Amino acid sequence: EAQVTQNPRYLITVTGKKLTVTCSQNMNHEYMSWYRQDPGLGLRQIYYSMNVEVTDKGDVPEGYKVSRKEKRNFPLILESPSPNQTSLYFCASSALTRDDRYYGYTFGSGTRLTVV
Amino acid sequence: QKEVEQNSGPLSVPEGAIASLNCTYSDRGSQSFFWYRQYSGKSPELIMFIYSNGDKEDGRFTAQLNKASQYVSLLIRDSQPSDSATYLCAVTPGIGQFYFGTGTSLTVIP
Repeated sequence: EAQVTQNPRYLITVTGKKLTVTCSQNMNHEYMSWYRQDPGLGLRQIYYSMNVEVTDKGDVPEGYKVSRKEKRNFPLILESPSPNQTSLYFCASSALTRDDRYYGYTFGSGTRLTVV
Repeated sequence: QKEVEQNSGPLSVPEGAIASLNCTYSDRGSQSFFWYRQYSGKSPELIMFIYSNGDKEDGRFTAQLNKASQYVSLLIRDSQPSDSATYLCAVTPGIGQFYFGTGTSLTVIP
């Protein structure tokens, strides 16, 4: 089954304790991205990756890191989480057309993070 | 000014009616446009994408794009209670960045 797998689904952590949210896709998609979703603010892009070793900032990158060492994996790292990073996080991937347009995202199931 | 604006709703339509969802965007260089549906507590799922001006139909769904007016819409014909969800509009200028609207909540009343 074609899918984007995120782990964990739920996470409660304390301020300052480093954490990693994993994301893996089995569709051989070049493009992957991380979003956070907050009430009233919608989905906001954190980071994206056009391919292996190619990453770039989205709209809200502060406090986050990513890496893309393999095509299928795109982990999100919070090195020192703070309460304002409490949110619902989604990983997503997309194939590209021959002229570099997007077919549209497949989203993971989401990770609900609470930082206390 | 937000990159993508949607009426938050809620929008209510009776079963069998046409639901019309609207979205405007600010970046004239935007190239690709998407509609997603998100059920409560679930992740967004792609309904349609559209690249060119005009209409694109897929079953009960029609996306309409007007680049001159910077406007994209989604029509849902013969609305069903199972269509009750939040609909998200997304736009990309094509260089990796995506912008989502805050979504329109649709309720289809049986």
